[in-house]
Order: sequence, then C-alpha cells, then structure tokens
Amino acid sequence: DIQMTQSPASLSASLGETVTIQCRASEDIYSGLAWYQQKPGKSPQLLIYGASSLQDGVPSRFSGSGSGTQYSLKISSMQTEDEGVYFCQQGLKYPPLTFGSGTKLEIK
Amino acid sequence: EVQLQQSGAELVRPGTSVKLSCKVSGDTIIAYYMHFVKQRPGQGLEWIGRIDPEDDSTKYAKKFKNKATLTADTSSNTAYLKLSSLTSEDTATFFCTKSGGGFAYWGQGTLVTVSS
Repeated sequence: DIQMTQSPASLSASLGETVTIQCRASEDIYSGLAWYQQKPGKSPQLLIYGASSLQDGVPSRFSGSGSGTQYSLKISSMQTEDEGVYFCQQGLKYPPLTFGSGTKLEIK
Repeated sequence: EVQLQQSGAELVRPGTSVKLSCKVSGDTIIAYYMHFVKQRPGQGLEWIGRIDPEDDSTKYAKKFKNKATLTADTSSNTAYLKLSSLTSEDTATFFCTKSGGGFAYWGQGTLVTVSS
C-alpha cells in the first residue's frame, strides 16, 4: 500500500500570509495526487488534481506542485474562508486509494 | 449539474447490518466508478472501495473486504454500500464520491451511529 505522510498536522496563518502544506508518498505516484479542503460538517471539496491542475471554480490563490514522492499545496494569500482541514490523496495505485492524515489550518 | 444525494442518518444496533444509498442526478452512473469513503468523528478520510456500475466489478481496501459490500442499480442511477456485523468502530460518516481526475463530486454524507 502507498502511505501518504502529510505535514504539518496543524498550522495557523495570518490574513494575507502564504501557506504551504506538504505531502510525501511512500513511492513514486507520478503526479497522481489530489488536494481537498474540508470544512466542519461538510463533504471534502476538490482543489487540485493531477498534482497541479486547479479544479474549476477554485480560487487561483491555491496551487499545487511536486513530482515523484514529494508534493505541496500552496495558498498564496490566506483568507478567512480558507480555514479548514486539508487532505492529500493518491489515486495512482489502488486498492487501496490512500489519503494523508490531514492538516488543520486556522487563522492566527 | 451533477449531484450525489445520500440516504439519511442511521442509528443501528451492534451486530446488525445497514444499507446506505447514493443517488446520482445530472449524469449517468455508468459513466464513472463510484467510491465510498469513511470518516470517523474528528478523524481523517479512509477509502472503503469502488464499484464500476457498468459491469458491477468492485475493489475494496483489505480491511473492508468482510465489512462492506458495494452494489449499483443502473435503472435508478443509485449506488449502495452495505455494512455488516456492525460495531462501535463503524460509527462514522460515510461519503459516496464519483471518480474522474480527482473526486470532484461528493454526497453530503450519511452518519451511521452504532449503539445498543
């Protein structure tokens, strides 16, 4: 099984600050990575797929990068509505499809 | 607009089974694999498995092979998740989601509470 190690587990950021969340796969996943945002009581929302493609309707301050085993999600200017929990997910090799453990992002 | 509508919350007894539904509107269910994901309270996301509604083929995570059964009814555009031999460890919200370049469409989730 491919393990996804996500960091940090939590962070707080000021409005306008740049935020970066990391995700490391236990083996090469050839950019088969997606990022999701989840708010309390809601379903996850797709932000990025294919490691760097922005999902329709997602603000351009979100971006994804990486290759091989190392990936990151960047929020270029933190907004209040960006609070939530962020998950990475690999979809290249399954079963099982695997998620990172999540990063809780709060406003400082 | 594609929507996934899941069945309502369930309160079930330990040792019993429950069957959850996920109805797709705005698209045909056979166009994509349907996946189900488990989320325990305050925890992360755990993939259960997926079904191809076109041929009913399934894939499961190992830990759910004896716990979950996925089926689909193309006539009603609905996918189903049956959970058996329920324990407190099965208390969670279960999401359905449709594949295709990441999971862009999700149901609202069904909360299953296992309690005597």
